[in-house]
Amino acid sequence: EAGVAQSPRYKIIEKRQSVAFWCNPISGHATLYWYQQILGQGPKLLIQFQNNGVVDDSQLPKDRFSAERLKGVDSTLKIQPAKLEDSAVYLCASSSRRDTQYFGPGTRLTVL
Amino acid sequence: AQTVTQSQPEMSVQEAETVTLSCTYDTSENNYYLFWYKQPPSRQMILVIRQEAYKQQNATENRFSVNFQKAAKSFSLKISDSQLGDTAMYFCAFMKLSNAGNMLTFGGGTRLMVKP
Repeated sequence: EAGVAQSPRYKIIEKRQSVAFWCNPISGHATLYWYQQILGQGPKLLIQFQNNGVVDDSQLPKDRFSAERLKGVDSTLKIQPAKLEDSAVYLCASSSRRDTQYFGPGTRLTVL
Repeated sequence: AQTVTQSQPEMSVQEAETVTLSCTYDTSENNYYLFWYKQPPSRQMILVIRQEAYKQQNATENRFSVNFQKAAKSFSLKISDSQLGDTAMYFCAFMKLSNAGNMLTFGGGTRLMVKP
């Protein structure tokens, strides 16, 4: 069974530029999560989708971050414009309902 | 809101020995899951073990076992016969079971170094 796929693995941008990350969950997993992990900390949830609907986006900085999961499968997380403090690893995870979350390899973002 | 605390920022253990990582959490919920995840330098978050709060029996997975004390809100991870490949960050995580979402709340992590 293929795991959660993410791309790119690394991204370096300058502040005020935009960036997008892509995630493809495990086949059949209806729930998809985006987490932000700042260096030295545990991951923090940004947004949770159930199929193509948003379940929880209370911690998503909506003035600059957006996410979508149009067909209920893969998802895109966008930052526009990026700030220095957005430098982090962005992790995507998926799960069957009320079950263990499985994580992708993450995207390391550096904002200069 | 739930909080998860890992009081040991760093630990080390000799290869083949046993080490225990600590985790405490705070919640008013009665039905929840607890997890330990491992994150090696590759950054991939890998599930180590899962415990359902309604189960009294402690979960085990090969060399990994937990000591789940629900009343004390404690959830420690024991690694037996430590191997060099166990070197990683270990995160304790809490998941509330809710129709409104099943977000994980993570602790700050413990960096484990297994020495040859």
